[in-house]
Amino acid sequence: DGGITQSPKYLFRKEGQNVTLSCEQNLNHDAMYWYRQDPGQGLRLIYYSQIVNDFQKGDIAEGYSVSREKKESFPLTVTSAQKNPTAFYLCASSRGRAYNEQFFGPGTRLTVL
Amino acid sequence: QQPVQSPQAVILREGEDAVINCSSSKALYSVHWYRQKHGEAPVFLMILLKGGEQKGHDKISASFNEKKQQSSLYLTASQLSYSGTYFCGTEIRANYGGATNKLIFGTGTLLAVQP
Repeated sequence: DGGITQSPKYLFRKEGQNVTLSCEQNLNHDAMYWYRQDPGQGLRLIYYSQIVNDFQKGDIAEGYSVSREKKESFPLTVTSAQKNPTAFYLCASSRGRAYNEQFFGPGTRLTVL
Repeated sequence: QQPVQSPQAVILREGEDAVINCSSSKALYSVHWYRQKHGEAPVFLMILLKGGEQKGHDKISASFNEKKQQSSLYLTASQLSYSGTYFCGTEIRANYGGATNKLIFGTGTLLAVQP
């Protein structure tokens, strides 16, 4: 079955440590997105990529980094520069343009202690 | 740039109707609607691409007023399964008139349907 996987579902890290969240899709989608969700604030775009080896900053990119070396993978690194990293992180993909439906992964809940 | 959704929350009895509004301060290229249940990923409902477009399936439909930069989601004869948080995602129209290829989501409308 095609879909998007994110791992792990729950992640705990100590303050000051970098952490990488995994996102893999087998839908053959060109575009991939990372969102952050905090209570009462909806989904905010961190980074997005429309093709391999290219990505753009979203609205809240500071303290995050991404790579897009393969079409099916779009990992997100939460660096120690991110001041408030505890949140629910969602990865999504679409056929290429934002006006196409976005398919979301199950999310990773990151807690920084 | 974040679209404003209203109401923030609504409680319904099964069978009642609801309207959720999404308003942007920017010209829009497209509007998406998603529903998210607690702790789960958002699920796609529909996309509206053209001003004046209306779409729907089953008892959920939506409209897009491009001139007013607004979209509305209509839920009729609500069912328990409709409960969740509804988000609109707006794609702002670029200066040249085309798509910007990224969505900006509203803060969501919590819908609770009671028996």
